[in-house]
Amino acid sequence: EPEVTQTPSHQVTQMGQEVILHCVPISNHLYFYWYRQILGQKVEFLVSFYNNEISEKSEIFDDQFSVERPDGSNFTLKIRSTKLEDSAMYFCASRTRHQSSYNSPLHFGNGTRLTVT
Amino acid sequence: TQLLEQSPQFLSIQEGENLTVYCNSSSVFSSLQWYRQEPGEGPVLLVTVVTGGEVKKLKRLTFQFGDARKDSSLHITAAQPGDTGLYLCAVPGDYGQNFVFGPGTRLSVLP
Repeated sequence: EPEVTQTPSHQVTQMGQEVILHCVPISNHLYFYWYRQILGQKVEFLVSFYNNEISEKSEIFDDQFSVERPDGSNFTLKIRSTKLEDSAMYFCASRTRHQSSYNSPLHFGNGTRLTVT
Repeated sequence: TQLLEQSPQFLSIQEGENLTVYCNSSSVFSSLQWYRQEPGEGPVLLVTVVTGGEVKKLKRLTFQFGDARKDSSLHITAAQPGDTGLYLCAVPGDYGQNFVFGPGTRLSVLP
């Protein structure tokens, strides 16, 4: 079964550094997402991406964050200047679109654990 | 913005016991999904419920959507250690493209 692939599985960076998290969504999916989960806390929506543009973003997704789909297969999340509180699991997800698109499930990758020191 | 509550927050039971976890809100939803997340992995969809009062079964798991489509329950019969994980409910967000997750119920089934 096709799956969402995320790399790296663990990223350690120093405060103030830029990080790029990588995702390869399922190939025929059209909607792409980034969520994060701070240790022991809830899964929080960051951003959704459709038709090569951001379709929705949360308050968490401020100017320090950006997303890109550079080549039709990869979907990246960039954090420009990391802060300690950015430490979390970052999950990429993708979703197909069909007649009942709002019911189609999110397919998650296994996440990238970002540690900011 | 939808606010989802899940209860209980934590649940630790012995293998073979039955349990029910809940997902509640004051809002009405067009649909609701249940996911299970195991340590070190992303959430995996268990079921989607759409119709008020709908009941869906997945082996030993029974999901029900409330008649008013504001709440849902997940009942597990004869729990097994493999059922251990974080159970999350999720609903479509304000604009229908994202999904909002509840805080989850962390289930531990002891052998």
